[in-house]
Amino acid sequence: LAKTTQPISMDSYEGQEVNITCSHNNIATNDYITWYQQFPSQGPRFIIQGYKTKVTNEVASLFIPADRKSSTLSLPRVSLSDTAVYYCLVAGEYGNKLVFGAGTILRVKS
Amino acid sequence: DVKVTQSSRYLVKRTGEKVFLECVQDMDHENMFWYRQDPGLGLRLIYFSYDVKMKEKGDIPEGYSVSREKKERFSLILESASTNQTSMYLCASMPGASSYEQYFGPGTRLTVT
Repeated sequence: LAKTTQPISMDSYEGQEVNITCSHNNIATNDYITWYQQFPSQGPRFIIQGYKTKVTNEVASLFIPADRKSSTLSLPRVSLSDTAVYYCLVAGEYGNKLVFGAGTILRVKS
Repeated sequence: DVKVTQSSRYLVKRTGEKVFLECVQDMDHENMFWYRQDPGLGLRLIYFSYDVKMKEKGDIPEGYSVSREKKERFSLILESASTNQTSMYLCASMPGASSYEQYFGPGTRLTVT
């Protein structure tokens, strides 16, 4: 199983760009990398998914180097409402390789 | 709008009781999952199902079983609840193999006394 490792916590200020890196050394050829956001007392919410290089959507970008052993979630210009736990997840076919990391607590300050 | 619902937000049960946690999705998704979430441990996969009547063990299946008789419903069963099963239980569903976007329910906080 592709175990993931993330920083336990990060602090930032409003308006800054935040980059959270996830390590997944044992990622398999067909695995995808996904990121989720979770607020207290809620289920996680999907942010972005990628396989290689760069993926961008309306809320974030995901950078994946050629060896795919790590990935970086980039949140542009964070606000207080981005304070949450962010999870990196390596996902394989049929979910049999779904491994959530312990998550990164992001605190955004004013 | 996509929806995953769980039968209870809060549940208190006694040690040794049989506990049923129900999850229903309205998106016609193939895959469904049960996780538990504990402080400092993140989300851990208990069981998942990729089709009706099909199930696969996740990382921590001991003490749990599941049932998927209909596509939209995935049940988690604690045959004999124990205090170490006190946790937040999260259900999720996911479309077919081309997308790994999981949709989570609101969670059930189970306390076993």
